[in-house]
Amino acid sequence: AQTVTQSQPEMSVQEAETVTLSCTYDTSESNYYLFWYKQPPSRQMILVIRQEAYKQQNATENRFSVNFQKAAKSFSLKISDSQLGDTAMYFCAFMKPNFGNEKLTFGTGTRLTIIP
Amino acid sequence: NAGVTQTPKFRVLKTGQSMTLLCAQDMNHEYMYWYRQDPGMGLRLIHYSVGEGTTAKGEVPDGYNVSRLKKQNFLLGLESAAPSQTSVYFCASNGGPDTQYFGPGTRLTVL
Repeated sequence: AQTVTQSQPEMSVQEAETVTLSCTYDTSESNYYLFWYKQPPSRQMILVIRQEAYKQQNATENRFSVNFQKAAKSFSLKISDSQLGDTAMYFCAFMKPNFGNEKLTFGTGTRLTIIP
Repeated sequence: NAGVTQTPKFRVLKTGQSMTLLCAQDMNHEYMYWYRQDPGMGLRLIHYSVGEGTTAKGEVPDGYNVSRLKKQNFLLGLESAAPSQTSVYFCASNGGPDTQYFGPGTRLTVL
């Protein structure tokens, strides 16, 4: 079974600064996907970024980028030029492709607060 | 294109009452999922469906039943609600081995 660990329950950073959220996972699979989801106070789960394990290049989406270290089973999220709207819970998640049985395994989340 | 919608958004039940949560998606996705989110924990999978007429158990299925009579709808039922089922429930769907899209969630309180 896969496990996902987020070791930082809470973080805070000044607006416009850069922050990195950590995530490690455990799996014996070689092909899988990793995700970062954002959950603002509205509770909506919003996809931030996705990484396919067979791709060596780190995914980027505007101010969001990941540092994917497959051998170390590490998947951190970097938020550059942080904005007040980035305040939210952030969940790291693992998915193994399995013909419909694509269950997401989530970490326990990191609560990020951007300070004005 | 509304994506994934959930009904209702909030509900309060008394212990022993029953209810059904409705999830609907308009993306023609085959796969649909029900998760629950409890404080201090990530989302945990309750049940899922790989297509119309199919359902399967996830990580925490006890106390819940599901049905997928139509491709676009996935229903989650609580036959006899218990306080331990107080949670936020999320539905999700995807069309393949890729990203899951989530509904807005339903906050359920069982007294």
